Amino acid sequence: QQQVKQSPQSLIVQKGGISIINCAYENTAFDYFPWYQQFPGKGPALLIAIRPDVSEKKEGRFTISFNKSAKQFSLHIMDSQPGDSATYFCAAQDYKLSFGAGTTVTVRA
Amino acid sequence: SAVISQKPSRDICQRGTSLTIQCQVDSQVTMMFWYRQQPGQSLTLIATANQGSEATYESGFVIDKFPISRPNLTFSTLTVSNMSPEDSSIYLCSVADGSYEQYFGPGTRLTVT
Repeated sequence: QQQVKQSPQSLIVQKGGISIINCAYENTAFDYFPWYQQFPGKGPALLIAIRPDVSEKKEGRFTISFNKSAKQFSLHIMDSQPGDSATYFCAAQDYKLSFGAGTTVTVRA
Repeated sequence: SAVISQKPSRDICQRGTSLTIQCQVDSQVTMMFWYRQQPGQSLTLIATANQGSEATYESGFVIDKFPISRPNLTFSTLTVSNMSPEDSSIYLCSVADGSYEQYFGPGTRLTVT
């Protein structure tokens, strides 16, 4: 049973466009929500994370939006670049990290 | 963030054999974890490696199949025992040091034939 539901499974965006990935959870004990970026053949890399007392966090072209009442959070990749093509995982932590199923993002030049 | 290395980076093994994967961190860390990532899938926590005591296993994973050692604050091993083709996966070590931030190693790609 996946505790964090992630969508879409994959998306294709043009260079310069916005990629949006959504995640939802039920467990109100989760208190930390990171996003990981994984390139083929590599381990996941921590990209950006948010705590539930904040509604938005921005780091460069990456923004997390967090809606505590809806138990949803999303990753926005602004001005998407071909180098952003990777698989993105959302996660949520209580005593352990629970991962979403992953979204494969393809940025077309 | 800590620099994490894993050995081997990949291996092809015969069914019924065992493989020990090593995870080395360049600094002392509080927490070390082992995950499995099956091809094209998400990450699943196998266990938390506890320094000086037995590992804490998640539901569906048992010590006889995945024995784990953690002799100090910078090193851990995961053994995949009596392997079958279903054990073909990427095995990932991760670390955390007192904060929520968790960092992953490069992974070990295991193929069981």
